Amino acid sequence: DQQVKQNSPSLSVQEGRISILNCDYTNSMFDYFLWYKKYPAEGPTFLISISSIKDKNEDGRFTVFLNKSAKHLSLHIVPSQPGDSAVYFCAASETGSGSRLTFGEGTQLTVNP
Amino acid sequence: DVKVTQSSRYLVKRTGEKVFLECVQDMDHENMFWYRQDPGLGLRLIYFSYDVKMKEKGDIPEGYSVSREKKERFSLILESASTNQTSMYLCASVGGGSNQPQHFGDGTRLSIL
Repeated sequence: DQQVKQNSPSLSVQEGRISILNCDYTNSMFDYFLWYKKYPAEGPTFLISISSIKDKNEDGRFTVFLNKSAKHLSLHIVPSQPGDSAVYFCAASETGSGSRLTFGEGTQLTVNP
Repeated sequence: DVKVTQSSRYLVKRTGEKVFLECVQDMDHENMFWYRQDPGLGLRLIYFSYDVKMKEKGDIPEGYSVSREKKERFSLILESASTNQTSMYLCASVGGGSNQPQHFGDGTRLSIL
């Protein structure tokens, strides 16, 4: 069963606008959530994370929102830039799992100039 | 800065061959992981290790084994390569403690002919 799900395989936005990437999870034991960005032929790079004790975490142009009751998180990128074009993966883990991560399928973001 | 190095960026092997993928990290991390990434499936965990000589099965361990003889090195072994093991293989590491992001290598694109 897919415990972490990204329902949108792709997203296209205009430069300067907001990009919103969504992620849903089913395991209520997850308490730490992360977003990774991946360019072709490179490994994923860590972008931003959030603990379940918070509902928002911000780092520059990137903000992650967590809605625990809905088991939903989202990544907002404002303003979007062409260099943000990449595949974005959300991931989740639970305390005591040794930092084992469960990943979603990924969303290809394309930011058009 | 954490450095995770995978020995090969691209590898081509034949069906039935025994294949070794090597991963080295330079941050004295306890935990190391092997994933494969396939389009539409995200990153799936093959095996992980919490310490030297320790290993745990991930979600898709069939057809693979691992070796961790030294803390900094984690090897993935395809015992008898098959065409359905053609994929991008990613190694990651993270220190002990909770709520830390994994750091990834650049991946090995493996083709089995």
